[in-house]
Amino acid sequence: DVKVTQSSRYLVKRTGEKVFLECVQDMDHENMFWYRQDPGLGLRLIYFSYDVKMKEKGDIPEGYSVSREKKERFSLILESASTNQTSMYLCASSPSSKGRGGYTFGSGTRLTVV
Amino acid sequence: DAKTTQPTSMDCAEGRAANLPCNHSTISGNEYVYWYRQIHSQGPQYIIHGLKNNETNEMASLIITEDRKSSTLILPHATLRDTAVYYCIVRVPTYGGATNKLIFGTGTLLAVQP
Repeated sequence: DVKVTQSSRYLVKRTGEKVFLECVQDMDHENMFWYRQDPGLGLRLIYFSYDVKMKEKGDIPEGYSVSREKKERFSLILESASTNQTSMYLCASSPSSKGRGGYTFGSGTRLTVV
Repeated sequence: DAKTTQPTSMDCAEGRAANLPCNHSTISGNEYVYWYRQIHSQGPQYIIHGLKNNETNEMASLIITEDRKSSTLILPHATLRDTAVYYCIVRVPTYGGATNKLIFGTGTLLAVQP
């Protein structure tokens, strides 16, 4: 089974801190994604990557950056955490568009910024 | 913007079939329909996907109308463990088809009643 592992289940950080959320997948998928999920808003795409060192903005990239130095790892960075970034963060991976596979999600990281 | 419209919530009796509708009237010819579900505090779980033809797997069936403007997810014998938020999603090709992304809506909360 494809596994997408997010490094932390719960995080509490202070306003202004630099925060790293890590995601690792073990099935050699080309695509990786970061979403945030908020009540009433569903899942919103922050950034995605379709290859090593390649990254593209999603719908809500402001206040975030990403890094993909290795194929299996996709990091989300909050440059200066703010309280409005308190949310559930979900990482996902998928094969390339030529593949028929579905997207596999991690269990999520619930981030609280105080 | 989400490309799908789903009812906010539905009830279903345990043991009966659950039929979850989805409208995607602006879907393009090369865009797949995916269904995921999310049980409280977990990451979304892949259920099924399709392009034009009806699909069936061990979890569910997907019925897509001939004009592809709507679809229905069918859980043949709902159990209490099927209580979850169900997302109907369009997979959108990007960068000339080199990659793709999922656009989520707010989903349908299915409550299976004993």
